[in-house]
Amino acid sequence: DVKVTQSSRYLVKRTGEKVFLECVQDMDHENMFWYRQDPGLGLRLIYFSYDVKMKEKGDIPEGYSVSREKKERFSLILESASTNQTSMYLCASSRDTGTEAFFGQGTRLTVV
Amino acid sequence: QKEVEQNSGPLSVPEGAIASLNCTYSDRGSQSFFWYRQYSGKSPELIMFIYSNGDKEDGRFTAQLNKASQYVSLLIRDSQPSDSATYLCAVNEWADKLIFGTGTRLQVFP
Repeated sequence: DVKVTQSSRYLVKRTGEKVFLECVQDMDHENMFWYRQDPGLGLRLIYFSYDVKMKEKGDIPEGYSVSREKKERFSLILESASTNQTSMYLCASSRDTGTEAFFGQGTRLTVV
Repeated sequence: QKEVEQNSGPLSVPEGAIASLNCTYSDRGSQSFFWYRQYSGKSPELIMFIYSNGDKEDGRFTAQLNKASQYVSLLIRDSQPSDSATYLCAVNEWADKLIFGTGTRLQVFP
């Protein structure tokens, strides 16, 4: 079974802190994604990566950056956390273009 | 216009009925289409995918794709209370971008 693991299930951070959300997949997938999910807004794509060290902006990249130094790991970085970044963050991976994406368990981030 | 649009619902159907969920998309170049189910507090999980025009059936689920109308749907036959969840439509756009709709909440009542 494909496994996508996010480092934390729940996280509470203070405004202005630098926050790292980690995601690891164990199936040698090419593509990895970061989404945030908010009530009424659905899943919104923040960033995605189709190869090591490659990244593309999604629909809402402002306030976020990403890092993919190894194929299995995709990190989401909040440079200076703000309260409007309080959300559920979901990481996903897929083997290649047009194939099923598998999701991690999600990280519920609260910024106070 | 949103890239992937769904009616948020809730869509309420009685047990045993057919539930019909719809999705439209804006990128004519999209090639792959997915339906995910998400239970409250859980991550999305894939139900079906479809690449070609027409219908694809898997058990009680049928996905329908019409590329000319930029429309994809999911039919659930013999709906069960356990089907109550949010159903997310996802579309693979250019350069591996995978975009989701906001989801339709389905309620199946006994």
